[in-house]
Amino acid sequence: AQSVAQPEDQVNVAEGNPLTVKCTYSVSGNPYLFWYVQYPNRGLQFLLKYITGDNLVKGSYGFEAEFNKSQTSFHLKKPSALVSDSALYFCAANYLFKGGSQGNLIFGKGTKLSVKP
Amino acid sequence: GAGVSQSPSNKVTEKGKDVELRCDPISGHTALYWYRQSLGQGLEFLIYFQGNSAPDKSGLPSDRFSAERTGGSVSTLTIQRTQQEDSAVYLCASSYSGSSYNEQFFGPGTRLTVL
Repeated sequence: AQSVAQPEDQVNVAEGNPLTVKCTYSVSGNPYLFWYVQYPNRGLQFLLKYITGDNLVKGSYGFEAEFNKSQTSFHLKKPSALVSDSALYFCAANYLFKGGSQGNLIFGKGTKLSVKP
Repeated sequence: GAGVSQSPSNKVTEKGKDVELRCDPISGHTALYWYRQSLGQGLEFLIYFQGNSAPDKSGLPSDRFSAERTGGSVSTLTIQRTQQEDSAVYLCASSYSGSSYNEQFFGPGTRLTVL
């Protein structure tokens, strides 16, 4: 079965420190990988995606993620965390179905990021 | 530009009643998705519309759930005879096409509470 795992329910970091939110995936063939952020009482906002090419992907708000095929991981990173980065982060995967494309995302359970001043 | 909009933002209903949730996707987006977000289940895919193709209903949890998309734009998710376990936030998303590599843009959600 296709799945995405976020092993940490919560990540706590101090403002100014680097942050990492972990994600691993199990999908057929070549995966397309996404990170979304959800602020309280808001919908999900797209941060970045990996389709092909350079394993390091840069996205919104200074976030980046590294695709590692051998470890089937797509960890989200930021060199210097801000208090305003505190939110719920979701990793998601999609892939090319045989015979065509298919659009529904497979989501991880989410990781709550808390950045303290 | 305008994003995905959903209405109502909150809906409280009694067990056994029917509810309709509305989604207005981004103009020009051919693909539309419904997801459900609940505390115990995370984000679950419900249904997917792509252009004029038959929708992918594989995520609908029971036959009490149905959805339609009129004119390739606005979509309505209908839940009949609501149950308490239907309480969740229902999220709608749209994308430029149904291709797997396109990011999906999400609406703010409808919070459904079944008493």
